[in-house]
Amino acid sequence: NAGVTQTPKFRILKIGQSMTLQCAQDMNHNYMYWYRQDPGMGLKLIYYSVGAGITDKGEVPNGYNVSRSTTEDFPLRLELAAPSQTSVYFCASSYSGRSNTEAFFGQGTRLTVV
Amino acid sequence: GENVEQHPSTLSVQEGDSAVIKCTYSDSASNYFPWYKQELGKGPQLIIDIRSNVGEKKDQRIAVTLNKTAKHFSLHITETQPEDSAVYFCAARRDGNEKLTFGTGTRLTIIP
Repeated sequence: NAGVTQTPKFRILKIGQSMTLQCAQDMNHNYMYWYRQDPGMGLKLIYYSVGAGITDKGEVPNGYNVSRSTTEDFPLRLELAAPSQTSVYFCASSYSGRSNTEAFFGQGTRLTVV
Repeated sequence: GENVEQHPSTLSVQEGDSAVIKCTYSDSASNYFPWYKQELGKGPQLIIDIRSNVGEKKDQRIAVTLNKTAKHFSLHITETQPEDSAVYFCAARRDGNEKLTFGTGTRLTIIP
């Protein structure tokens, strides 16, 4: 089982450039999430989705967009990259949003904006 | 919304000794408390979780305790080994809420 797969693993962007972080899961999970991880700040939720065609904002959505056209894929789009978006990004999925459902994480994408 | 505080931010423990990491939460309706371990260059992975109808749960060298009245929960690792070195995150969630709220993490270093 591949689980949650994120691409790319590393990326350097120039200010103002755009890119899409890819996330795919093969566990038929309904719920998918994007987090960013900054040093000493834990994991902050950017966007989440409870199923295909449905997305919602998390704690820190500004500067990002998402789409969920299929159950498997949940790409995160940065339109105008800014230095404040330098971070490690994690995609996660879970079978449902019920409180005791385990969330599975991808390996992360380390993004640097210069 | 929910707020989860985690302490300490760093912890060094001699191999074989015990390590304890503590978290407090603000939402009294939270009823699910997982702990995640993140190894270098990897994503977080669930190691143990507890629901609010239970006060303690053990899995080999790892245990979690929950005090609902005080709204805090702790991770206990006994007989620590070098492979326990990692960053540990606590989290909290309540039924009906799709989102986990994470603590800020504890970097645990096991000294050989």
